[in-house]
Amino acid sequence: DGGITQSPKYLFRKEGQNVTLSCEQNLNHDAMYWYRQDPGQGLRLIYYSQIVNDFQKGDIAEGYSVSREKKESFPLTVTSAQKNPTAFYLCASSSPEWGEGDTGELFFGEGSRLTVL
Amino acid sequence: SQQGEEDPQALSIQEGENATMNCSYKTSINNLQWYRQNSGRGLVHLILIRSNEREKHSGRLRVTLDTSKKSSSLLITASRAADTASYFCATDPRPGRRALTFGSGTRLQVQP
Repeated sequence: DGGITQSPKYLFRKEGQNVTLSCEQNLNHDAMYWYRQDPGQGLRLIYYSQIVNDFQKGDIAEGYSVSREKKESFPLTVTSAQKNPTAFYLCASSSPEWGEGDTGELFFGEGSRLTVL
Repeated sequence: SQQGEEDPQALSIQEGENATMNCSYKTSINNLQWYRQNSGRGLVHLILIRSNEREKHSGRLRVTLDTSKKSSSLLITASRAADTASYFCATDPRPGRRALTFGSGTRLQVQP
């Protein structure tokens, strides 16, 4: 089945450690996104990538890094510089219609919950 | 920045009643989308309405868009307990950074 797979589902980290969250899609989508969700809140954009080997910072990129070496994969690294990393992280992809200026419908993974001990 | 803001933040109704959620946004948009999120899960796309559309239907969902007021509403008719979830609006801004901006969501509880 086509979709987006995020792993791990739950992750615990000690302060000062970097962790990498995986996001893989087999939908053949060009664009991929990382959002952060805090309890009872909406989603905030961390990074997004419109095409392989290219990505842009979102609203809260500080303390995070990404890469987009393959179309299918968009891993997110939460670095020790991120002061408050405990959150629910959501990856999404879309097939934009840039000719229409349209980001398109987002398809989300099931999320990764990171807890800093 | 939060482009969309939903109202109310929380809504509790009985099964069979209609649920209405509102979304306001600040800048010009290409389209506005509504998503649903069950607790602890990813978001699921419900419906997309373009800036040149005023109303759209999908099953028990009805979405309206008023670009002059920069607002949208989502109506769920004849609600069911299974509709219990959080609902988010998301805007696709124009000219855009080519990523959706989400609001803070409405938590809907449908009592059986």
